[in-house]
Amino acid sequence: SAVISQKPSRDICQRGTSLTIQCQVDSQVTMMFWYRQQPGQSLTLIATANQGSEATYESGFVIDKFPISRPNLTFSTLTVSNMSPEDSSIYLCSVAEAHETKWVYEQYFGPGTRLTVT
Amino acid sequence: ELKVEQNPLFLSMQEGKNYTIYCNYSTTSDRLYWYRQDPGKSLESLFVLLSNGAVKQEGRLMASLDTKARLSTLHITAAVHDLSATYFCAAAKLNTGTASKLTFGTGTRLQVTL
Repeated sequence: SAVISQKPSRDICQRGTSLTIQCQVDSQVTMMFWYRQQPGQSLTLIATANQGSEATYESGFVIDKFPISRPNLTFSTLTVSNMSPEDSSIYLCSVAEAHETKWVYEQYFGPGTRLTVT
Repeated sequence: ELKVEQNPLFLSMQEGKNYTIYCNYSTTSDRLYWYRQDPGKSLESLFVLLSNGAVKQEGRLMASLDTKARLSTLHITAAVHDLSATYFCAAAKLNTGTASKLTFGTGTRLQVTL
């Protein structure tokens, strides 16, 4: 399975600032996703990071707040802009790899970035 | 809109006992995932279930899928303390693309006591 790393692993930021989270994969992957996990909650998909084109955002998430880049098949960034305390969450990068059955994809998750906004 | 519900939300069980976590999803899904998350850690993939009647087992964990009932179960046999974690199920929306987006359940926090 793909090995996924994220930077930073955690950060404490002031409201109104922005933070860019990096996701690096050790192999080329077609699909990359960004999820948010609020404290004690489940995971919510923010967007699909598309290589060479604009990310596809889920309902409730917008590009101005969460701009995403995907310059190649091994790297993506998520920026959390103009942060407020409600943005305090764990942000996880995820990649999809072909399963033993080619039309099915396994999804693996990075270690996460724990963000606290004060 | 695909919705996924898990129950129970919290489960405290003694070592050696058996129990089942239930995962219901609201609309047709083409696959069902189970993940484990330890405190402060990321998600570890446990199972991917693809078709009706699918059953997979790894150690003391067994997962099954009933697509007609839109139900998946994660059965724990003779629990041990090391199984203490939060377990998530996730269903994949049918997509025209080659990969599907996951919708996660609420999670079940499992605590196995000695």
